[in-house]
Amino acid sequence: KNEVEQSPQNLTAQEGEFITINCSYSVGISALHWLQQHPGGGIVSLFMLSSGKKKHGRLIATINIQEKHSSLHITASHPRDSAVYICAVKYGGSQGNLIFGKGTKLSVKP
Amino acid sequence: NAGVTQTPKFQVLKTGQSMTLQCAQDMNHEYMSWYRQDPGMGLRLIHYSVGAGITDQGEVPNGYNVSRSTTEDFPLRLLSAAPSQTSVYFCATNPRPIPHNSPLHFGNGTRLTVT
Repeated sequence: KNEVEQSPQNLTAQEGEFITINCSYSVGISALHWLQQHPGGGIVSLFMLSSGKKKHGRLIATINIQEKHSSLHITASHPRDSAVYICAVKYGGSQGNLIFGKGTKLSVKP
Repeated sequence: NAGVTQTPKFQVLKTGQSMTLQCAQDMNHEYMSWYRQDPGMGLRLIHYSVGAGITDQGEVPNGYNVSRSTTEDFPLRLLSAAPSQTSVYFCATNPRPIPHNSPLHFGNGTRLTVT
């Protein structure tokens, strides 16, 4: 079964720390998404990538196709970064639908 | 633009009742989908549509019906609610079927409780 594994499940950091959240998948994919779910429940898309690296502000997403692994980094973390971060992949051959990880709950303390 | 609008935000049903969760988008997106989110699990796809008049089942379609008569609307119907359908439901859209280089757009969710 194609699965998406995220680690850690929970993460507590102090304001200013560098944060890494990991995502592993089992077979070849055509795209990987990183999403952010705020405490109020809304979900926003952060990145979609199929190779290399993308950066937006303090957020950086990388993917290693050979190792079937992606990371989401947050530099100079802030309490407003507290949220659940979700990884989702599209496996090649599926009908355009995504498989989601269970999420990583991040709490940044002031 | 409103983006993706879901109604209602909250709903409590008794077992056996029926209801429709509404999803509307004003971005002319082709792809619309419904997910449910349960504690300890990733989002799971219920049904999806790649255009008006076209729908298909996702991973967990049992107990749910959908239709797509217009590009804008994609309602999710629970014909006879069961406690196992207690969940948070999200509608999500994409300009074209994934994996084109475009992000998913989510509604704010509907929290449904079935007693």
